[in-house]
Amino acid sequence: GAGVSQSPSNKVTEKGKDVELRCDPISGHTALYWYRQSLGQGLEFLIYFQGNSAPDKSGLPSDRFSAERTGGSVSTLTIQRTQQEDSAVYLCAGNTGYGTGELFFGEGSRLTVL
Amino acid sequence: AQSVTQLDSQVPVFEEAPVELRCNYSSSVSVYLFWYVQYPNQGLQLLLKYLSGSTLVESINGFEAEFNKSQTSFHLRKPSVHISDTAEYFCAVNTGGYQKVTFGTGTKLQVIP
Repeated sequence: GAGVSQSPSNKVTEKGKDVELRCDPISGHTALYWYRQSLGQGLEFLIYFQGNSAPDKSGLPSDRFSAERTGGSVSTLTIQRTQQEDSAVYLCAGNTGYGTGELFFGEGSRLTVL
Repeated sequence: AQSVTQLDSQVPVFEEAPVELRCNYSSSVSVYLFWYVQYPNQGLQLLLKYLSGSTLVESINGFEAEFNKSQTSFHLRKPSVHISDTAEYFCAVNTGGYQKVTFGTGTKLQVIP
């Protein structure tokens, strides 16, 4: 596609429910990143994909968080048993995986856990 | 490991006044440096970047940043701000190769009419 597409743009859920956030990167972008943006915390790295594999999962905050990528394209970030502290904007970004590292971001998915 | 520090969380400035947003980084190897901008309710977009060569880099909308290796800084400046510059600005660094881009905590620029 022309840009990075993320869905849903807004998600309100109850504590304890599972949520799935989707990212569709720019065609040809083999590298895909998930970041979390919380108020006053900047951008927190979660996970990085190269193709369908995730060589760096070091930023996932707990085992309630998982992500997968299929077909070298769409990625899904899943949060199980959501907690209020999971409330944040989840940003997806991609690039070609080599070169200078400029990232192309989606507009994010705002998650609110009540 | 690499890190980025943006000491100013918010910077209010009057329209047409100059502004400087500060960014310092640490890294044991050579880095690429970036400034991203996030307008309200939008995703981040690249504002400018330093890769190599001239230490002064410019954006199309009048911002500039200077890479200072001795001070490990990459401060962002604009001589005269506009209302439309109101946004959050993030400094970022990576070392190339596998690019785990590290971001600062952001600086909110509020331009006052």
